[in-house]
Amino acid sequence: DAKTTQPTSMDCAEGRAANLPCNHSTISGNEYVYWYRQIHSQGPQYIIHGLKNNETNEMASLIITEDRKSSTLILPHATLRDTAVYYCIVSAGDNQGGKLIFGQGTELSVKP
Amino acid sequence: DTEVTQTPKHLVMGMTNKKSLKCEQHMGHRAMYWYKQKAKKPPELMFVYSYEKLSINESVPSRFSPECPNSSLLNLHLHALQPEDSALYLCASSQGPGRGNQPQHFGDGTRLSIL
Repeated sequence: DAKTTQPTSMDCAEGRAANLPCNHSTISGNEYVYWYRQIHSQGPQYIIHGLKNNETNEMASLIITEDRKSSTLILPHATLRDTAVYYCIVSAGDNQGGKLIFGQGTELSVKP
Repeated sequence: DTEVTQTPKHLVMGMTNKKSLKCEQHMGHRAMYWYKQKAKKPPELMFVYSYEKLSINESVPSRFSPECPNSSLLNLHLHALQPEDSALYLCASSQGPGRGNQPQHFGDGTRLSIL
């Protein structure tokens, strides 16, 4: 079973920041938090991942709470092309054979 | 554009047919994966290959037979499938064990329909 809980759906106005929460209260010390998104009719796209520290790349920022029980993915200036299902996944990566267990994800709709 | 290429993009087959799905990557990745995704559901892991050896089989029925002929190629051989096997089949690759927990890169999948 997936070890994360996410809202089923969210809306965001174009040009505003999209903040997508994820709860992972049973995360283990060696597990990373990964975020992927899936645009309709495409394969999942990697966005960002982190272990303890906050991370930022050209797509998004990942904020992980100090106790690591929750995190937030931030898309700083959402566009219509960011409309997708966003998956938050906790995984020990190579330490568990590279397994990713997807939950139901959050369906983000960016509106004009 | 995805760096993991899957062919064919669409496949329609009868329950008695034998067909194969193909996946290719040229990123030097040493781990490759097959996932199955039903409509409106998240992807589910089927198989993991690590350094061309099968390392994980998530109790997949034997009518699905994976093969990794070399480090760049991954095949999924299909035989005697059932209508409930209709789904999007996704391939992914990653750096592999010992190379730093790098993320998986996915192809856009093969959409399979069983008549």
